Amino acid sequence: SQTIHQWPATLVQPVGSPLSLECTVEGTSNPNLYWYRQAAGRGLQLLFYSVGIGQISSEVPQNLSASRPQDRQFILSSKKLLLSDSGFYLCAWSPKGGGGGYTFGSGTRLTVV
Amino acid sequence: DAKTTQPPSMDCAEGRAANLPCNHSTISGNEYVYWYRQIHSQGPQYIIHGLKNNETNEMASLIITEDRKSSTLILPHATLRDTAVYYCIVRVGGLQGGKLIFGQGTELSVKP
Repeated sequence: SQTIHQWPATLVQPVGSPLSLECTVEGTSNPNLYWYRQAAGRGLQLLFYSVGIGQISSEVPQNLSASRPQDRQFILSSKKLLLSDSGFYLCAWSPKGGGGGYTFGSGTRLTVV
Repeated sequence: DAKTTQPPSMDCAEGRAANLPCNHSTISGNEYVYWYRQIHSQGPQYIIHGLKNNETNEMASLIITEDRKSSTLILPHATLRDTAVYYCIVRVGGLQGGKLIFGQGTELSVKP
């Protein structure tokens, strides 16, 4: 069966520090991968998605970047965190094609102080 | 991209059916309707999806109108653990698989 792993679960980082959040998927190949962010009390915002290795699409301009070095690995990064980067970050995957559902990871709660 | 409209909140008595409506009047012919829910501080959980026919699984039923401009998610016997934000989403994109764009959802409160 397919599983998605996301870590760490919580993170407290100072302003100006770098960030690296990792997400891996098991039990499938060539998935679509996604990073979402949820600010406190608000809906989920799609940040990045990827349909293949090295292929990244950014949905909103921001202080973050994403990379997909391997088929089932998706990384969210920042060189210098801002206070506004605080939030709940979720990774998700979906199979290719129009009918498959998304499976979300358990999320990382990032607090920038 | 087709947009969805949902009531911001609803209440339901425990043991009763919860009927959550969603309008998606600009949906196109090849777009699916998806329902997810998010319990506080957890990742969203897939519930059900459909294209034009009604669908049922162990969690819920999805009723899509014939013109596909609206749908209803039905939780047949709501429990306290069904308290969550429910998102109705129309999936955009083509053969590569589309993006899920979340709206604000409906906050369902199941009360004893």
